[in-house]
Amino acid sequence: GENVEQHPSTLSVQEGDSAVIKCTYSDSASNYFPWYKQELGKRPQLIIDIRSNVGEKKDQRIAVTLNKTAKHFSLHITETQPEDSAVYFCAAYAYSGAGSYQLTFGKGTKLSVIP
Amino acid sequence: EAGVVQSPRYKIIEKKQPVAFWCNPISGHNTLYWYLQNLGQGPELLIRYENEEAVDDSQLPKDRFSAERLKGVDSTLKIQPAELGDSAVYLCASSLRQGPNEQFFGPGTRLTVL
Repeated sequence: GENVEQHPSTLSVQEGDSAVIKCTYSDSASNYFPWYKQELGKRPQLIIDIRSNVGEKKDQRIAVTLNKTAKHFSLHITETQPEDSAVYFCAAYAYSGAGSYQLTFGKGTKLSVIP
Repeated sequence: EAGVVQSPRYKIIEKKQPVAFWCNPISGHNTLYWYLQNLGQGPELLIRYENEEAVDDSQLPKDRFSAERLKGVDSTLKIQPAELGDSAVYLCASSLRQGPNEQFFGPGTRLTVL
């Protein structure tokens, strides 16, 4: 099945700086890559996603890039703010066997934005 | 629009006791998921429903875990008997349909087994 590796596990940045989180995946047939933000004690929420037919997608301060050849995708947050502090999870949607597809999540990156 | 609702939010039980979690998905969402989230880890799929049919339960430990989605709306996940290693957050999610689409998560149930 799919394997998703996420780095770094923790990331501290000064307010206003940029943050980059990287993920790699193993299944070249994966075709959907969402990013979720989870604040402490709260539910994961989708912040941006990208499909395999697109190389880059932006939404205000957030952008995601996808390199299908290298099988990696990255989350970029510019002009970070204290409210960006949370755990971020990448995921890849791929075939999981027995006729099923599923999202496989990375282990998460704890982002701390220092005021 | 109300989001995915789960109850209880927290549950503390002793090992070998049974426990059940309830989930109400977003209205109109046909696909429902149960995930397990251990501390410091990403969610891991336990079971996926399309309407009332469990279409992917390959990662559900069937010796002690069971789930149902009667009438294709609400769902219940049960553990019997619970073990110490079952302590985790159990997340429910729903999506409009199966496939590579946004999944909306509930707040989760934090289970502590003593």
